[in-house]
Amino acid sequence: AQRVTQPEKLLSVFKGAPVELKCNYSYSGSPELFWYVQYSRQRLQLLLRHISRESIKGFTADLNKGETSFHLKKPFAQEEDSAMYYCALSGKYGNKLVFGAGTILRVKS
Amino acid sequence: DAGVTQSPTHLIKTRGQHVTLRCSPISGHKSVSWYQQVLGQGPQFIFQYYEKEERGRGNFPDRFSARQFPNYSSELNVNALLLGDSALYLCASSLEDRSTTQYFGPGTRLLVL
Repeated sequence: AQRVTQPEKLLSVFKGAPVELKCNYSYSGSPELFWYVQYSRQRLQLLLRHISRESIKGFTADLNKGETSFHLKKPFAQEEDSAMYYCALSGKYGNKLVFGAGTILRVKS
Repeated sequence: DAGVTQSPTHLIKTRGQHVTLRCSPISGHKSVSWYQQVLGQGPQFIFQYYEKEERGRGNFPDRFSARQFPNYSSELNVNALLLGDSALYLCASSLEDRSTTQYFGPGTRLLVL
């Protein structure tokens, strides 16, 4: 079964603190993993994907196949990072995305 | 480019009615996918269309149907509405049909009374 688990509904940190949003997945095969973000009053948008291995807005995510995890990290949180973050996976074929329930990140000043 | 557009933005229906939601993809994008997002949950895949053919279907009843037109726009139809169909319906477009970046529209919020 394909499943994405984001264990935290809400993560609250102070500005400048490190951030780690957790994501675990279940998939038989080699999925593609993504992080999507939704800022207030904006549409859902792609933040990063594991095959790109890039850093976007200071965020990185490493795919750990042994632990089936794809945690999102940022060393120093900024207030503008406050948003809803969704982890998602897709299979080898087609564009079906399986999303987690999402984690609200709140960065306090 | 305005990005993916969806209409209407909001809709109120009563149980048993049917509804048609519309989506226009980004120019040049040939794939359209539909997702249902119930409050407090992540989006759930309903359908994917590519070049006017269905390429994937999620675990939704036959009351849900969709189609894609020659200009790549798409409609999602839901018959015999239930209270549980109340949700945000998202449309996403992408260039191709395989694991490419999907661009989401703002969604249509459907309330079934």
